[in-house]
Amino acid sequence: KNQVEQSPQSLIILEGKNCTLQCNYTVSPFSNLRWYKQDTGRGPVSLTIMTFSENTKSNGRYTATLDADTKQSSLHITASQLSDSASYICVVSDRGSTLGRLYFGRGTQLTVWP
Amino acid sequence: EADIYQTPRYLVIGTGKKITLECSQTMGHDKMYWYQQDPGMELHLIHYSYGVNSTEKGDLSSESTVSRIRTEHFPLTLESARPSHTSQYLCASSGPSGKKYGELFFGEGSRLTVL
Repeated sequence: KNQVEQSPQSLIILEGKNCTLQCNYTVSPFSNLRWYKQDTGRGPVSLTIMTFSENTKSNGRYTATLDADTKQSSLHITASQLSDSASYICVVSDRGSTLGRLYFGRGTQLTVWP
Repeated sequence: EADIYQTPRYLVIGTGKKITLECSQTMGHDKMYWYQQDPGMELHLIHYSYGVNSTEKGDLSSESTVSRIRTEHFPLTLESARPSHTSQYLCASSGPSGKKYGELFFGEGSRLTVL
């Protein structure tokens, strides 16, 4: 069964600290993996998209890594800010169609305290 | 900023009422989607469209219906709302970009509460 599992479910860190969020998937075949940030009450916003051949991609203070062999991805946030408080969602796409079916994780709820 | 808009943002209605959630995008995207999201849960695809006059049901069974008469407009309708329809509804779109995959742009969501 194609699944996307994220950990931890929730995380609280102090402002300025770094953190790493994990995503494990069993989706096969694999096309790409995306990380989204979703603020409370808002729609998700794309942070990164990585294909099979990419093992790291950065977007400002956000750095995503991908290990397609172990089917794991991580999102590292550097020097956290209060505005980083949000749900971070991992999404994996298969190659089943030209569009690709998307499998969503349940997200990691990050809270940054001052 | 993505140019995809949803209205209303919040709606509280009584059981049995008919409601339409509006979704419009100005990016010329051919593909549009409706997702349902409950707190702490993953997004579930309920409807999608690959273009005008093309609509398909998604993975999650839904009593809602959609239409795609214009490229930019993808409304979702519930003929008779029930408390079980209480949820967050997210509209999204993606377009041809020359890549094998298209980036997905989401609207701000419509939070529906049925009493």
